[in-house]
Amino acid sequence: DAGITQSPRHKVTETGTPVTLRCHQTENHRYMYWYRQDPGHGLRLIHYSYGVKDTDKGEVSDGYSVSRSKTEDFLLTLESATSSQTSVYFCASTGTGVANVLTFGAGSRLTVL
Amino acid sequence: QKEVEQNSGPLSVPEGAIASLNCTYSDRGSQSFFWYRQYSGKSPELIMFIYSNGDKEDGRFTAQLNKASQYVSLLIRDSQPSDSATYLCAVPFGGYQKVTFGTGTKLQVIP
Repeated sequence: DAGITQSPRHKVTETGTPVTLRCHQTENHRYMYWYRQDPGHGLRLIHYSYGVKDTDKGEVSDGYSVSRSKTEDFLLTLESATSSQTSVYFCASTGTGVANVLTFGAGSRLTVL
Repeated sequence: QKEVEQNSGPLSVPEGAIASLNCTYSDRGSQSFFWYRQYSGKSPELIMFIYSNGDKEDGRFTAQLNKASQYVSLLIRDSQPSDSATYLCAVPFGGYQKVTFGTGTKLQVIP
């Protein structure tokens, strides 16, 4: 089984609707991340978590919220989706230590019409 | 100033040449540095990490770190067309491992 899975993998929605993306990891990693990737911008950090119920904002957090009620799950919510949130979203996780290699999910492609 | 900066490219090199990719970071307290490779439509995958000043070699790849200059680079020797991808520099910031990426450099290896 994959160490980290994202769902849904593809979603098309309309402006103004709420959207939740789910990230599930089986690595018992402490840290989890949500990034968005758009052409010319690389991976931009939306929110990250450093433990259950412990989250913090990244560089592009406006319009997004997150929750982490269990070690293995990290949810990203768009309360009212906008066309500017059309993107590919990647979840990642890592454990503790100096060599904190990120494990990535396969990505979720979101289109907001 | 962005926390992690890279030239977006594209960087074009002929097959067999050395490709040099560069990254600068803003926080002098950063301790570890990562290079990821991302093929189009795929997730990033780790190429190398480095946390000591100097060079670290792994096969055709060499990472170079200069903490005084806040600069980390990746050299790819004997570049192959299969190396054509976007290369992302990543740096964890702070005690809670806020991992921040540069914009990535797109590498094209010309056969």
